[in-house]
Amino acid sequence: DSGVTQTPKHLITATGQRVTLRCSPRSGDLSVYWYQQSLDQGLQFLIQYYNGEERAKGNILERFSAQQFPDLHSELNLSSLELGDSALYFCASSVASTVIDEQYFGPGTRLTVT
Amino acid sequence: GENVEQHPSTLSVQEGDSAVIKCTYSDSASNYFPWYKQELGKGPQLIIDIRSNVGEKKDQRIAVTLNKTAKHFSLHITETQPEDSAVYFCAASMGGFKTIFGAGTRLFVKA
Repeated sequence: DSGVTQTPKHLITATGQRVTLRCSPRSGDLSVYWYQQSLDQGLQFLIQYYNGEERAKGNILERFSAQQFPDLHSELNLSSLELGDSALYFCASSVASTVIDEQYFGPGTRLTVT
Repeated sequence: GENVEQHPSTLSVQEGDSAVIKCTYSDSASNYFPWYKQELGKGPQLIIDIRSNVGEKKDQRIAVTLNKTAKHFSLHITETQPEDSAVYFCAASMGGFKTIFGAGTRLFVKA
């Protein structure tokens, strides 16, 4: 158990809908990362937050947005969903200092868009 | 931006043999290189990492080497066991900023 929690575990929704994925980081970790993993694909970095502020952005679509709240939990919002958005979405957390930046991954949310 | 290439995409070895996975990165500013193991239905798990001021690191049957000049790093697993079967990802990052992952290597260890 990495200490990172993600909810829900599974999500099935229709095209055009909007969903919110939630992540709680490990105790003491200030940074949250979101990744997308499509079937048999690698991990695509979406976005990183550090202590409530956006720190780095990857290949995140404009239909996707994220935020990190004062209690450090984070939410990833996916809107106008398309079939191609079906994937595993992982959250990871780390201390993210310049010296200590090991990431610990949650169990993921499996999103199915029908 | 940073790009990480990982080879091979699939690796099949006999139990007890060694397995080697190689990665190259493009951004010379990268200074942290973790390796993750992902089992079916689970999130990636950090198994070993190396920083740019170190050339080699070992943890029991797992070792990682880094060649900063050539910008490549490798994972070595010795005395492989069936439970080592999984997908392995290499990654490169710059001190607390975004991490770029390789495409993954699916390792099969045949008993």
